[in-house]
Formats: sequence, structure tokens, C-alpha cells
Amino acid sequence: SQTIHQWPATLVQPVGSPLSLECTVEGTSNPNLYWYRQAAGRGLQLLFYSVGIGQISSEVPQNLSASRPQDRQFILSSKKLLLSDSGFYLCAWKQGPSGANVLTFGAGSRLTVL
Amino acid sequence: AQSVTQLDSQVPVFEEAPVELRCNYSSSVSVYLFWYVQYPNQGLQLLLKYLSGSTLVKGINGFEAEFNKSQTSFHLRKPSVHISDTAEYFCAVSRSGGSNYKLTFGKGTLLTVNP
Repeated sequence: SQTIHQWPATLVQPVGSPLSLECTVEGTSNPNLYWYRQAAGRGLQLLFYSVGIGQISSEVPQNLSASRPQDRQFILSSKKLLLSDSGFYLCAWKQGPSGANVLTFGAGSRLTVL
Repeated sequence: AQSVTQLDSQVPVFEEAPVELRCNYSSSVSVYLFWYVQYPNQGLQLLLKYLSGSTLVKGINGFEAEFNKSQTSFHLRKPSVHISDTAEYFCAVSRSGGSNYKLTFGKGTLLTVNP
């Protein structure tokens, strides 16, 4: 069966520090991968998605970047965090173009920027 | 592009009462529709989905939703709620088909079930 892992689960970072959130998927190949951010009262905002290694699409211009160095690994990064980067970050995957049209989410990473 | 409006940000109900969480969408093309549930400090879990076929869709935990194309709605219902149904519920939409699959979410409805 397929599983998705995110880490760290929680972190507290000072303003201006770097960020790296990691997401990996097991039990499938060539998944579509997604990063969403959830801020209070604002629902889920799609940040990035990837349909293959090295292929990243950005939905919202911002202080964050994403990379996909391996087929089942998706990383969210920042060089210098802002207060507004605080939120709950969710990674998700779906099977590729011919797969089921359902996103499966990880447990999330809660980021607090102080 | 697609968009989703969840008309109620919070819905308080008493245990064993029926509940309806409203969702309207906007799209110029055919869509797929979804409801997800999020328990505190957890990821999202799929409740149910409409891809095609019958407009009445049944999901987990006794929830169901009805796709109404003319009213562009996909309201979620449960005839009798439990305390354990307390969670945030998200309606989501995507265009049908296509290899770059993006899901657009509403802002969520917090369902609070009181004893």
C-alpha cells in the first residue's frame, strides 16, 4: 500500500532563518506531488505541484521554493523565513495522469515563525 | 479556473441532529468534486467524491453529498451526527481530466457537535 510521510511535524523558527520541509511517498512511482499551506481562516492554498523529477510549477509568488530531487521526494524550502510564512503545510500526492483523481495528504508540518 | 465557496464558516449542531454543509462551485468546464475532513492537527482525509454517474454520492462515516449541476452545488449531509464528527470540512473542485491535476479548496466549515 501507499504511504506518505512528512517531517518535521512541528518546528519553531526565527525570522530570517532557512527552512526545509520534506515529503516522501512510498509504494508508488511517478506520482504527482503537491505542497499546500493552510493558514487560519484561509482554507488551503496550493503552493507548488510537480508532475515529475525536476519539474516544479509555482502557483503563488512568494518567499518559498520547492524541489523534487527524486521521484518520490518533494522538498519545500526557504532561504529566509518571514512571519507570514507561519502555517500548517500539507504535502499530498496522486497517481500520475492515468491514476485515480484523488489526492492523499500527509499529516502536515506546523511551522511557527517568531 | 475553478473556485469554491463554502457558505458557512462555522456550523454548531446538537448530537443526533441532521446537518448540511453547503458548497457552491464555479467553473466553465466539467468538474470533479470532493469533500475532505480534517481533525485537529491532522492532514486531510477524503470523505467522498463525485467523478461521474449518480449525482448522489455516499462516503465514509455516514456522510453523503448530492451534485447539482444546475445550481453548481455539492452540499454535504448527514442525517444524525455524533460528537466524533466535530472537525473541519473542506469542499474541493478540479476540472475533469487533464494530466496536471490541481485541486482547489474552499475555506472550510468548522462543524461542532455539542452534547
